Amino acid sequence: AQSVAQPEDQVNVAEGNPLTVKCTYSVSGNPYLFWYVQYPNRGLQFLLKYITGDNLVKGSYGFEAEFNKSQTSFHLKKPSALVSDSALYFCAVRDTGGFKTIFGAGTRLFVKA
Amino acid sequence: NAGVTQTPKFQVLKTGQSMTLQCAQDMNHEYMSWYRQDPGMGLRLIHYSVGAGITDQGEVPNGYNVSRSTTEDFPLRLLSAAPSQTSVYFCASSPQGWGQGEAFFGQGTRLTVV
Repeated sequence: AQSVAQPEDQVNVAEGNPLTVKCTYSVSGNPYLFWYVQYPNRGLQFLLKYITGDNLVKGSYGFEAEFNKSQTSFHLKKPSALVSDSALYFCAVRDTGGFKTIFGAGTRLFVKA
Repeated sequence: NAGVTQTPKFQVLKTGQSMTLQCAQDMNHEYMSWYRQDPGMGLRLIHYSVGAGITDQGEVPNGYNVSRSTTEDFPLRLLSAAPSQTSVYFCASSPQGWGQGEAFFGQGTRLTVV
C-alpha cells in the first residue's frame, strides 16, 4: 500500500533564509509525487510534481523539490523564504499502476519577519 | 473559470440525519475524488471515480456513498451522520488517472455533526 510521511508537524524559518519541508514515501513501482499548499480556509493548490526525468523539479512561487529514489524522499525547498509562504504544505504520492493518490498529514510552515 | 465547485460551504447536521455534498467541475476531467481533512491526519481519500459510471473506495469509505452519472458531477452522500464525520470535505478533479496532471480542488465543505 502507498504511504506518505511528513515527519515535521511544523517548520519555523526566518524570512530570507532557505526552507526545507521533508517528505518520504512508500509505493510499489515508480511513484508520481506532488506538493500542494493550503492557505487558511482555502482548498489545496498545486505547487509542483515529479513524474520522470530530472530529479530536481521546479514549481510555482520559487519552490523546488528534489526526488531521491534511494532515500524514497521528495523534500520541498525554497532558497529564500517569504512571510507569505506561511501555510500548510502537503506531499502526495500516486503509484503509476493505480488511481489512488495518498496525502501526508501536512507540515505547517511559519516564516517570521 | 469556475473549476471545481462545492456546495454547501458550511453545514450543521444532527446525528442520524442524511445529506448530500455536491461537487461539480467544468473542466471535462475524467477523474474525481472526495477527501476529508482532519487535524493532524492530512487528507484521507473517501471515494474516487475514474469516469462516469465508475466509482471505487478509498481509505475511509464507511458511512459514505457516491455515484457518478455524469462527467461533471460527483456527489457524496452521508447516509446517517455521526459526530465522527465532523470534518472538512474536499472534492478534487484531474485529467484521466492523475498521471500527467495535477489535481484541482474545490474550496471545501465544513461539516459539523452534533
